[in-house]
Amino acid sequence: GAVVSQHPSRVICKSGTSVKIECRSLDFQATTMFWYRQFPKQSLMLMATSNEGSKATYEQGVEKDKFLINHASLTLSTLTVTSAHPEDSSFYICSARGALVQGLGGYTFGSGTRLTVV
Amino acid sequence: QKEVEQDPGPLSVPEGAIVSLNCTYSNSAFQYFMWYRQYSRKGPELLMYTYSSGNKEDGRFTAQVDKSSKYISLFIRDSQPSDSATYLCAMSVKDTDKLIFGTGTRLQVFP
Repeated sequence: GAVVSQHPSRVICKSGTSVKIECRSLDFQATTMFWYRQFPKQSLMLMATSNEGSKATYEQGVEKDKFLINHASLTLSTLTVTSAHPEDSSFYICSARGALVQGLGGYTFGSGTRLTVV
Repeated sequence: QKEVEQDPGPLSVPEGAIVSLNCTYSNSAFQYFMWYRQYSRKGPELLMYTYSSGNKEDGRFTAQVDKSSKYISLFIRDSQPSDSATYLCAMSVKDTDKLIFGTGTRLQVFP
């Protein structure tokens, strides 16, 4: 089945630094990638949707200059948290959907990245 | 009011019990209704999805949708310790790729 690899699984960084999270579709071409954020005991909140080769569409309230999303190829999307602060500490999850996959089974999630900003 | 409401639990049941997990929603534009299972520190995996009101069965799992009441349920029969996880309901917004998730219900099945 479709597999999405997300790295790193866990990262600790100092306040003010930037962190890059990668999301790769291993056996299919992901035309659309979704980035979510999940706080403890809360639901997944969609941050942005990106289509290969075009700019990401951010949800209301998400700072596009802080959360940089790049979807330069059909198998790779990256989320860069710039000038990270402790309040950015969260669990970030990507999801990919391929052009050839029909229906709701087409959403494949990565394993998530636990970001801790100290 | 949140678009999707889900009791966070935790829900603790003995092995073999029937588990009932529920979500309510307020947006009539939701089109598909899904249940995901999420193990600790992992991404969600799709269990079932359905479109219309009624029941859909897959092994020990049954998904139920009542559009008139804006209420969906997931039933797990003969629950096993390996079913211990967080269960998230999710709904797709019509004519978009967006999924709206519930908060998730943490389930613990003890031997």
